[in-house]
Amino acid sequence: DQQVKQNSPSLSVQEGRISILNCDYTNSMFDYFLWYKKYPAEGPTFLISISSIKDKNEDGRFTVFLNKSAKHLSLHIVPSQPGDSAVYFCAASANVWDDMRFGAGTRLTVKP
Amino acid sequence: KAGVTQTPRYLIKTRGQQVTLSCSPISGHRSVSWYQQTPGQGLQFLFEYFSETQRNKGNFPGRFSGRQFSNSRSEMNVSTLELGDSALYLCASSSEYTEAFFGQGTRLTVV
Repeated sequence: DQQVKQNSPSLSVQEGRISILNCDYTNSMFDYFLWYKKYPAEGPTFLISISSIKDKNEDGRFTVFLNKSAKHLSLHIVPSQPGDSAVYFCAASANVWDDMRFGAGTRLTVKP
Repeated sequence: KAGVTQTPRYLIKTRGQQVTLSCSPISGHRSVSWYQQTPGQGLQFLFEYFSETQRNKGNFPGRFSGRQFSNSRSEMNVSTLELGDSALYLCASSSEYTEAFFGQGTRLTVV
């Protein structure tokens, strides 16, 4: 039962443009959402999070938007850089202490 | 501060064998979670240990088991290996105040 879905397995963007990665979830109990970035041969690293009391969280070039009514969140990277090329995983949990459920990941390629 | 350490990094086993993977969490982290990553399936939650007790469990068969020691180090065991168990197994540690930090993973190949 895939409670967190990332429907785009891959995304290719030109350097300097905006990358938008999308994530949908089905469990209405999820209240805490995270994005992880994964390079080959490395474990995922935490990127940014958002809790349901907010609809937007920014950290430098990375912004996460949450639409609870649509059970949808997105990660925006502006401007995209070649070093952003990685697999991005969306994760959700009922609270910050609960276990995360991950999406299948989206492979982002930023072309110079 | 040392990160999450998983050993071994690579492993090749034959069908029917059993395997034990090890995870040393970040010092001070009491929670250790295990995930399986396969192409197209993303990261699937296996189980979580906190203070030597299994706190949560995902939807994996009983062949997958784990344990946690008093120093928070954790092991994961898979018995009667199947070809479909070939995957990257990731361990993550966390405290009550932090997001999860992942190790580099153990790549298991079952032949």
